[in-house]
Amino acid sequence: AQSVTQPDIHITVSEGASLELRCNYSYGATPYLFWYVQSPGQGLQLLLKYFSGDTLVQGIKGFEAEFKRSQSSFNLRKPSVHWSDAAEYFCAVGSKTSYDKVIFGPGTSLSVIP
Amino acid sequence: GAGVSQSPSNKVTEKGKDVELRCDPISGHTALYWYRQSLGQGLEFLIYFQGNSAPDKSGLPSDRFSAERTGGSVSTLTIQRTQQEDSAVYLCASSPRWSETQYFGPGTRLLVL
Repeated sequence: AQSVTQPDIHITVSEGASLELRCNYSYGATPYLFWYVQSPGQGLQLLLKYFSGDTLVQGIKGFEAEFKRSQSSFNLRKPSVHWSDAAEYFCAVGSKTSYDKVIFGPGTSLSVIP
Repeated sequence: GAGVSQSPSNKVTEKGKDVELRCDPISGHTALYWYRQSLGQGLEFLIYFQGNSAPDKSGLPSDRFSAERTGGSVSTLTIQRTQQEDSAVYLCASSPRWSETQYFGPGTRLLVL
């Protein structure tokens, strides 16, 4: 069955510290992969996406993610977190080759300590 | 250009009433999605449209939920005989083609009393 897991429900980091949010997927077809962010009271915004090519993708706000096919992972990273990064982060996976629905993970809530 | 818009932004209704939620996708986007987000929860997929057809309706929670899309543009999500557990934020998104980046609307916050 297709699924997306985000093992960490909630993460707290200090401002300026590095960040890694985990995402693992189970998907039969070749996947498209996305990370979205939802700030408090705001809509969902795309951070970055992987369709093909370089497995290390750069996104907005200094975020990057690396697609590792062997580990079925697409972890999100940022070298230095800012207080404004506090938000809910969702990993999502879709199919390149079929009309399967895009599946979202349950989300990871990020808190940033000043 | 204009993004995805949804109306109403907020809706309060009484249990048992019907409600209709509207989504205006970005012009030219062929794919349209509906999700539900309950308080503190992730996104629950409801239904998607490719053009005017809905290949997958499996996410609709019950037969009280229905959706349609006309002219490959506007979509409406209808909830009949609303229940308190239907209270949530209903999000609409559109994308240029299937499985590409989804652009989300601001959502409709539904409260069933």
